[in-house]
Amino acid sequence: AQTVTQSQPEMSVQEAETVTLSCTYDTSENNYYLFWYKQPPSRQMILVIRQEAYKQQNATENRFSVNFQKAAKSFSLKISDSQLGDTAMYFCALSNYNTDKLIFGTGTRLQVFP
Amino acid sequence: EAQVTQNPRYLITVTGKKLTVTCSQNMNHEYMSWYRQDPGLGLRQIYYSMNVEVTDKGDVPEGYKVSRKEKRNFPLILESPSPNQTSLYFCASSDRGSQPQHFGDGTRLSIL
Repeated sequence: AQTVTQSQPEMSVQEAETVTLSCTYDTSENNYYLFWYKQPPSRQMILVIRQEAYKQQNATENRFSVNFQKAAKSFSLKISDSQLGDTAMYFCALSNYNTDKLIFGTGTRLQVFP
Repeated sequence: EAQVTQNPRYLITVTGKKLTVTCSQNMNHEYMSWYRQDPGLGLRQIYYSMNVEVTDKGDVPEGYKVSRKEKRNFPLILESPSPNQTSLYFCASSDRGSQPQHFGDGTRLSIL
């Protein structure tokens, strides 16, 4: 069975500071994708960043970067220079090449304070 | 503009009254899927479709039906809704074997 675990239900950070959200996963597949999605109060699901498992280099998108540790099955999200607009629920998700199915964690609610 | 469109965005209804949530995508994607989001549980897959006339169950299919008669549309049908189906529903689509999935804006269903 494939699982995604987010052990931090809630986190907070001050504006301009850095915060790291944790995610661990389990899969027996070799080829898969990992994602972080952001869900602001508008409830849209917005893709933040994506990592392909065969790529060793950690993905980066502007202020967002990941620490992908394949052997440890860990996929954390680092948000640098946090902004008020980063306040949202963040979901970690896993998808195998073969099935396209997204398996989500339970989410981490991030609050950015001024 | 590439998008996944769900309707309605909000619906309050009563137990047992059949309802349909529509989903349409304009990206010619083969893969479409429905998820429900509940507090503390994240998003869970209800049904998915890999192409026209091909559908299969996800993790929580009980009480739901789907159809895929056209590539762009993937409606979610609740034949006899019950209060435990009160939830936030998302439709998503993508190319096969390719990510990311594109999500609709969600449908908030309340079954009284």
